[in-house]
Parts: sequence; C-alpha cells; structure tokens
Amino acid sequence: EVQLVESGGGLVQPGGSLRLSCAASGFTFDNYAMHWVRQPPGEGLEWVSGINSRSDNIAYADSVRGRFTISRDSAKSSLYLQIHSLRPEDAAFYYCVKGDGADWGTSFQYWGQGTLVTVSS
Amino acid sequence: QSALTQSPSASGSPGQSVTISCTGTSSDIGGYNFVSWYQQHPGKAPKLIIYGVTRRPSGVPDRFSGSKSGSTASLTVSGLQAEDEADYYCNSYAGNNKWVFGGGTKLTVL
Repeated sequence: EVQLVESGGGLVQPGGSLRLSCAASGFTFDNYAMHWVRQPPGEGLEWVSGINSRSDNIAYADSVRGRFTISRDSAKSSLYLQIHSLRPEDAAFYYCVKGDGADWGTSFQYWGQGTLVTVSS
Repeated sequence: QSALTQSPSASGSPGQSVTISCTGTSSDIGGYNFVSWYQQHPGKAPKLIIYGVTRRPSGVPDRFSGSKSGSTASLTVSGLQAEDEADYYCNSYAGNNKWVFGGGTKLTVL
C-alpha cells in the first residue's frame, strides 16, 4: 500500500523559513517523480513543485520560484520542500504527491494527508 | 500560468448524470492529453479518479468517465450516488514542466 506521510508544518512568521518532509513507502521511491501541491484552507489546489526520479529535472510554479527548493533522498525514501521568505499567501495545506512515471507522467497518482503551514505574526 | 476554468457548483439527483467542464487553452488542455481529475471529500486528501483524459485507475467505479474536445475537458458522473458529493478538480500539463489545476467544482447530490 502506498503511504505518503508529511511532516514539518506549523506556525511561522512572515519572512521565516520551514522545511517540509514526506516519508514514502509501499512503492519503489527511486522510480517515480514526486510533487508538492498546496491548498489554502477552503480554497483550491495549486501545483507547487516537482522533481523527477533522477533529480535531474526540477520545476517550480512561478509563485514560489526562488523561495522554495524541492529535493529527494533515495536512501531515506523521502521528499523535502525547503521554504524561505514565507508570505501570508503561502499559508496552506501542503500535500506530498506521487507521480505515475519516472519523469512527469500523466497524473498525481497518490496523495499524502497534508501538513498545514500557517503564516502569521 | 492561469488556472483552468470550472463552474463553482453542479448538482443532480440520485441516479442522474452530471457533467463537469474544465476549460483551458491550446497551451494546456488543448495541447496535451495529460488531463486528470481529482475527487476531494471534506477534510480529506484529493483522490485521482481520471488520468490521461479518459483512463480510470483501478478501483474507481465506471460511473466516472472523462473526455476532451479541443481545450475543454469534461468529467461525467453517471448514476449519481450520495457518496459522489464532493469537490472535483481538473488538472492539465501546461508545458515547460508546469502543471495547472482548475478552481474546483462542488458537486451536490440533491
């Protein structure tokens, strides 16, 4: 069974930093692209960032490029999102998502339960 | 990248069929067959129900079907059931390693 468990969310002041983690299990982590998708409470979904299986193709939404860094660790079967210069509009549930291929694939196949990032002074 | 356009709400009675539309451009839906749909119940994570425009993952009832014409994708739910009441989001690859979601449609089963 595919499991994606996010952690690292919390309350952060504007301008602050945070590192989100996602522990993956139930599939061969090295064979799949991974993504982060966020959802402000009560609002819609926004794709944030993706990384392919070999970490040689990384992409970001325009809204986060330069402030967010995605990475993965095959030894730990884990995905990360380093967030800097947090803004109020970054407040959201952040979902760790498994792609359906080694590169981008065609869909966001499995989703974690999300971790909540709150930005407030 | 701009979000795909979905109607905010849709509704139908049990047993009826409902179609949810998702409008994009030639740069996303119209340019690629990488359209997917997600179902989200309150307080839960989204779940993939359609990928590659028309394909259903294992375990998703065949009451759910997808299609595309030009730059508009559609999700049809046939034989509506109470448990189909949820938010539905469309998504498409938008080129240049970008992905874009629709704003979501709240489906109410009357």
